[in-house]
Amino acid sequence: AQKITQTQPGMFVQEKEAVTLDCTYDTSDQSYGLFWYKQPSSGEMIFLIYQGSYDEQNATEGRYSLNFQKARKSANLVISASQLGDSAMYFCAMREGRRGSQGNLIFGKGTKLSVKP
Amino acid sequence: GAGVSQTPSNKVTEKGKYVELRCDPISGHTALYWYRQSLGQGPEFLIYFQGTGAADDSGLPNDRFFAVRPEGSVSTLKIQRTERGDSAVYLCASSPPGVLLFGYTFGSGTRLTVV
Repeated sequence: AQKITQTQPGMFVQEKEAVTLDCTYDTSDQSYGLFWYKQPSSGEMIFLIYQGSYDEQNATEGRYSLNFQKARKSANLVISASQLGDSAMYFCAMREGRRGSQGNLIFGKGTKLSVKP
Repeated sequence: GAGVSQTPSNKVTEKGKYVELRCDPISGHTALYWYRQSLGQGPEFLIYFQGTGAADDSGLPNDRFFAVRPEGSVSTLKIQRTERGDSAVYLCASSPPGVLLFGYTFGSGTRLTVV
């Protein structure tokens, strides 16, 4: 079964508007971490934001925030005030295991975001 | 170095040949990961090193794939008898020791094309 599901293959947003990219996950672990990465056309994976399963507050990093709904097993990324440079692939990922532990990331299939001027 | 360096950036090889892909992680990063990203997909985990040893190699698809990290820094991913299905971007990532609350730092990848 897929552990990370991103149901939106592609999304469009108008410049300066906010956009939400969906991510649901599946795990039986009580302790896990959720990540969002951006991959521009250059190919490099750029870390955006992290949410731990025990974190009570939703994570925020500048224009990025993570809408974490634990009971629904969702970890949606919200980008506020979209910019043309936000056009890229966005991947949601999960790492199972105790807080802060090392271990492999499981990625979703990604959402291609296009920002329109 | 300042970032994770992967060489070559592009590699074209003939079916059946042997290839080596190199990853030079950020200095001081003890953990090193290899991922494979096929077209239109998210990265798929291959292998994870903690220091010199492979802590988890459960993602290696078959015995044609092998990776080493002999001195705990640079790692080489080796693919024998390449097949067209091995064509993908191979990504390397590294992370520092200790509590990890942030994402791994990825390199720009090696695009492997098997013809």
